[in-house]
Amino acid sequence: DQQVKQNSPSLSVQEGRISILNCDYTNSMFDYFLWYKKYPAEGPTFLISISSIKDKNEDGRFTVFLNKSAKHLSLHIVPSQPGDSAVYFCAASASTQGGSEKLVFGKGMKLTVNP
Amino acid sequence: GAGVSQTPSNKVTEKGKYVELRCDPISGHTALYWYRQSLGQGPEFLIYFQGTGAADDSGLPNDRFFAVRPEGSVSTLKIQRTERGDSAVYLCASSLTLAGEQYFGPGTRLTVT
Repeated sequence: DQQVKQNSPSLSVQEGRISILNCDYTNSMFDYFLWYKKYPAEGPTFLISISSIKDKNEDGRFTVFLNKSAKHLSLHIVPSQPGDSAVYFCAASASTQGGSEKLVFGKGMKLTVNP
Repeated sequence: GAGVSQTPSNKVTEKGKYVELRCDPISGHTALYWYRQSLGQGPEFLIYFQGTGAADDSGLPNDRFFAVRPEGSVSTLKIQRTERGDSAVYLCASSLTLAGEQYFGPGTRLTVT
């Protein structure tokens, strides 16, 4: 049973436009959420995170929104750039000691930004 | 600075053989994690170390899988009697503290023939 779901396998957007990547989760114990970006033949690279005590976190072109009641989070990238083309993973954890510990990942979504 | 490194980058082995996969975390990182990523899936948690001890090994699929971190730095994931279903990319990550971001290595692609 997938606890973290990324229901869209791929997304294609035009350079300069907004990319919106969605993620849903089922485990109400999750209290820390992260987005990772992965290029082929490389390990996932941390992008941005959000704690459950917040509903928004922003870092440059990247903003993550959390809707706890809907168990939904989204990553907004604006403006999108061709270098953003990669597979994006949503991940969540239920911290027992105030930390991220083990992460539960979604299946990933391939973003393609066209020049 | 040096990131997380994993060796070998690729490993092909025959069914039934024993393999060891190595992870060198970022210097000073106390927490170390192993994940497995099968084709078309996200990384799946296997085991996590805090220092030398395995704090959570609930993700290890069965007793053919074992991991050690004897000196609190380098870790080795050991798989006995490999099966074709073990074929995957094995990812290692480390973090400075429990609350820190996890930094991933490039992974070891294991193929069991």
